[in-house]
Amino acid sequence: AQSVTQLGSHVSVSEGALVLLRCNYSSSVPPYLFWYVQYPNQGLQLLLKYTSAATLVKGINGFEAEFKKSETSFHLTKPSAHMSDAAEYFCAVSGPSRGGNKLTFGTGTQLKVEL
Amino acid sequence: DTAVSQTPKYLVTQMGNDKSIKCEQNLGHDTMYWYKQDSKKFLKIMFSYNNKELIINETVPNRFSPKSPDKAHLNLHINSLELGDSAVYFCASSQGGSWEQYFGPGTRLTVT
Repeated sequence: AQSVTQLGSHVSVSEGALVLLRCNYSSSVPPYLFWYVQYPNQGLQLLLKYTSAATLVKGINGFEAEFKKSETSFHLTKPSAHMSDAAEYFCAVSGPSRGGNKLTFGTGTQLKVEL
Repeated sequence: DTAVSQTPKYLVTQMGNDKSIKCEQNLGHDTMYWYKQDSKKFLKIMFSYNNKELIINETVPNRFSPKSPDKAHLNLHINSLELGDSAVYFCASSQGGSWEQYFGPGTRLTVT
């Protein structure tokens, strides 16, 4: 079985500060890892994905994440937070599943950006 | 030009009623999914269809019955609605071996 754990259900940063959202995974097979963002009352949008290529993955809106197998981590970072980054962020893991690619999500991290 | 669309966006109904949520994707994908997001924002997969065939059924009560008339559509019918069914339901799609899923805007179901 696969799972992800997101540390910190709420993270607050100042505008311009570093954003760090933590995600640790558990998987018996090489995982595929994802970060999704959900803005209020909207669906999920893919920020970035790791699919066993480069361990440092760049996504949209200036976000990036690094896959660290030794630490079973896939933390999301952004050098400088913007007010528009305030949203709910979900880490997810996927693995082989007959026919469909089942995503297993973490519990989410609410990012608040303050002036 | 919406990629994955769902109707309705909001659905308020009483316990015991039967309701349906529709999902359509115009991305040409062959796999579609239903996810449930509860009040604590926890997302969990319910079903997956590949080329109209049910692939994943995550121990969802049989009051929930997905139907896929074609590759572009995946509807969710819920019988005898219960208070605990209140949630946001998301449809998603992907293409075969791709691991990238595209999500719809969600349907907020409230059962009173």
